[in-house]
Amino acid sequence: DIQMTQSPPSLSASLGDKVTITCQASQNINKYIAWYQQKPGKAPRQLIRYTSTLVSGTPSRFSGSGSGRDYSFSISNVESEDIASYYCLQYDNLPYTFGAGTKLELK
Amino acid sequence: EVQLVESGGGLVQPGRSMKLSCAASGFTFNNYDMAWVCQAPKKGLEWVATISYDGSSTYYRDSVKGRFTISRDNAKSTLYLQMDSLRSEDTATYYCARHTSANPFAYWGQGTLVTVSS
Repeated sequence: DIQMTQSPPSLSASLGDKVTITCQASQNINKYIAWYQQKPGKAPRQLIRYTSTLVSGTPSRFSGSGSGRDYSFSISNVESEDIASYYCLQYDNLPYTFGAGTKLELK
Repeated sequence: EVQLVESGGGLVQPGRSMKLSCAASGFTFNNYDMAWVCQAPKKGLEWVATISYDGSSTYYRDSVKGRFTISRDNAKSTLYLQMDSLRSEDTATYYCARHTSANPFAYWGQGTLVTVSS
């Protein structure tokens, strides 16, 4: 199974900050990584697929990059509605595996 | 609008069975693979199983192989997860999700909580 090491586990930011989350795969995942946002008590929502493709409705302040084993997800100009947990997902190989998540909090 | 509505969760004793359903609407159900993803309380997300658009292929994570069965009824636009020999570690919220190999878990239901406890 491919392991996804996501960091940091938690992040504290002020409104307007830029934050970055990273995911490292245990092997090359050929850019098949997606990012999800989950607010408390809600289902996850897909934000980005195939490393950097924003899905419909995702604000442009969200971005993704990377290749090989190393990937990152950024939010520029953090807004209050961005306070949530974020998860990466590799879908290059079964079993699909998620990172452990990053909880974004307001400073 | 894509809608996925899960049902069938609740409290069940270890070793017993439970069947979850996911009613889909707002898209052509039989054009898409579907999946179940779970989340234990206060924990992260785990892929559980996937079924192809026509039901001909199914895939499972190792921990549920031989105990869980994913199926679908395209005439009813409904996805199922039959869970047998349930264990305490299966306690989680189970989400159904619309899935393709190019666009994984693009849409999710609201989830249904399964609690395995005596």
